[in-house]
Amino acid sequence: GAVVSQHPSRVICKSGTSVKIECRSLDFQATTMFWYRQFPKQSLMLMATSNEGSKATYEQGVEKDKFLINHASLTLSTLTVTSAHPEDSSFYICSARGDGSYGNEQFFGPGTRLTVL
Amino acid sequence: GDSVTQMEGPVTLSEEAFLTINCTYTATGYPSLFWYVQYPGEGLQLLLKATKADDKGSNKGFEATYRKETTSFHLEKGSVQVSDSAVYFCALRWGNQFYFGTGTSLTVIP
Repeated sequence: GAVVSQHPSRVICKSGTSVKIECRSLDFQATTMFWYRQFPKQSLMLMATSNEGSKATYEQGVEKDKFLINHASLTLSTLTVTSAHPEDSSFYICSARGDGSYGNEQFFGPGTRLTVL
Repeated sequence: GDSVTQMEGPVTLSEEAFLTINCTYTATGYPSLFWYVQYPGEGLQLLLKATKADDKGSNKGFEATYRKETTSFHLEKGSVQVSDSAVYFCALRWGNQFYFGTGTSLTVIP
């Protein structure tokens, strides 16, 4: 199947700093990518949907100024957590919707563990 | 709204035991149904799926049947292995939107 990578896999930062997480589709183009957040022992919650070349669509309750999403190419979307605080500590997972030969299947990245001190 | 409810864990089984993880859903239409598996420290991997009523998804010895009458998609495996230890998520997809259950942690002991 298709491969989605995330970088970094783990990041620890100080409160007030910004952190950028990258999501890449390695062997397919993805016009649509999704960002999820997973709290410990809980399910994934969709944060936003990003479409290449346009603004992201955020779910209700997600601060768009805090979680900046850029989908500049068909293989890369980035999530920037601005002015991070300890409550932003979480596991962030992206997924990419395959085009062409992969139909509209969604493939998930391995996740990024963010810890804000 | 659309939602997924799955059996709470954790579940601990001996190797070669039979596994059932219950999953029921609420949806206004006819969604596609999925089971994903998450191994420690990793992202989600698609285990199996079914796109319409009475479809059976199967993979690696796991099975689940899309039951519209009971709005269920229970995951089963006849004989679990230690390597099956992971967290299992039931999910439905309606359009581009995924709705996930809370996950069920499975530990298989030798």
